[in-house]
Amino acid sequence: AQSVTQPDIHITVSEGASLELRCNYSYGATPYLFWYVQSPGQGLQLLLKYFSGDTLVQGIKGFEAEFKRSQSSFNLRKPSVHWSDAAEYFCAVGDPTGTASKLTFGTGTRLQVTL
Amino acid sequence: KAGVTQTPRYLIKTRGQQVTLSCSPISGHRSVSWYQQTPGQGLQFLFEYFSETQRNKGNFPGRFSGRQFSNSRSEMNVSTLELGDSALYLCASSFDSFSGNTIYFGEGSWLTVV
Repeated sequence: AQSVTQPDIHITVSEGASLELRCNYSYGATPYLFWYVQSPGQGLQLLLKYFSGDTLVQGIKGFEAEFKRSQSSFNLRKPSVHWSDAAEYFCAVGDPTGTASKLTFGTGTRLQVTL
Repeated sequence: KAGVTQTPRYLIKTRGQQVTLSCSPISGHRSVSWYQQTPGQGLQFLFEYFSETQRNKGNFPGRFSGRQFSNSRSEMNVSTLELGDSALYLCASSFDSFSGNTIYFGEGSWLTVV
């Protein structure tokens, strides 16, 4: 069975600093990979996704993620964090042989941004 | 283009009651899935419907059920509510059921069981 690990429960960064959120997955082959963001009281917004091809993926709001097959990782990065980025971030994997909607999520990383 | 719409947004129910949550997918999307989000268990897949048929089911008891209508709108029902059913229930839609399609989430329905 596939699984996702987000080792950092909570991260605090200063506004303007760079950010990297870690995500490791367990899956027999290369899964589909996603990063979602959730603001308090809100649903999930897709930041970016990786299906195949270029391992560096650009998303919305200035985020990018890099797929590293050898490390089973899909870390999310942003060069300069804004206060509005404070939210909870979820990494998710999908089974390319399964249905689109059955995603397995990590436990999330809560990002706090200090001014 | 309207997003995924869920109603009601907030509701409080008493243990033992049942609840029905509604979801309208993005126009043109035929696949609807449901997730439960709790602080303890995180985000867990409940089930997926496509063309009025349940395509996939997560590991939840039979008290949790759903259905999809011909216009792709979906409802989920939880019977005999337990305190542990208190959660944010998220609906998501995608164009079809095939892997590789992006799924879009609604803002959720907050259920509190007292």
